[in-house]
Amino acid sequence: EVQLVESGGGLVQPGRSLRLSCATSGFTFGDDGMSWFRQAPGKGLEWVGFIRSNTHGGTTEYAASVKGRFTISRDSSKSIAYLQMNSLKTEDTAVYYCARLIMIDQRADYWGQGTLVTVSS
Amino acid sequence: QTVVTQEPSLTVSPGGTVTLTCASSTGAVTSNYFPNWFQQKPGQAPRALIYSTNNKHSWTPAHFSGSLLGGKAALTLSGVQPEDEADYYCLLYYGGAQWVFGGGTKLTVL
Repeated sequence: EVQLVESGGGLVQPGRSLRLSCATSGFTFGDDGMSWFRQAPGKGLEWVGFIRSNTHGGTTEYAASVKGRFTISRDSSKSIAYLQMNSLKTEDTAVYYCARLIMIDQRADYWGQGTLVTVSS
Repeated sequence: QTVVTQEPSLTVSPGGTVTLTCASSTGAVTSNYFPNWFQQKPGQAPRALIYSTNNKHSWTPAHFSGSLLGGKAALTLSGVQPEDEADYYCLLYYGGAQWVFGGGTKLTVL
């Protein structure tokens, strides 16, 4: 059974940093891409960023709204994807979701349950 | 900035058929945009329904289908059930590993 579990959310002050984790199981982590999405309270979904599979170099891409502030990484030995968020802004307040993303057909199939990040002073 | 547009809200009667659409500000949506569709109920994570235009996941109910319709991606629900009431989001791929969501459609079954 494929499972993704996010953790690391919480309350953080503007300008500070936070790291989210996405622990996975049930599939060969190194073979697939991983993506992060977010949803501000009462709003729609937004794509945040993506990390390619190990076989595709593990390189990353980001939405313009977070580029330069957020960094995605992966630890294949632990089957965990990370989202490092720096210089947080109040508008980054959202539920953050990770999902497996299969590049060959751009399929975002399995999602975690989400973790809430609140940026407030 | 690329904008993906969905109907903000739709209402359908139980047992009826409804089609949700997904348009791109860049022009006609084709299979090269690999449209994904997701269902989200209140307080829950999104659930994937359709990928690559018209492919169902193993868990996708049979009465959901995806297609391209008039230059847009489309999600059709046939024989709508009360439990289909939810928000539905499309996701389009713009190449260079960039994805954009539509604003979502709130589907009411009434």
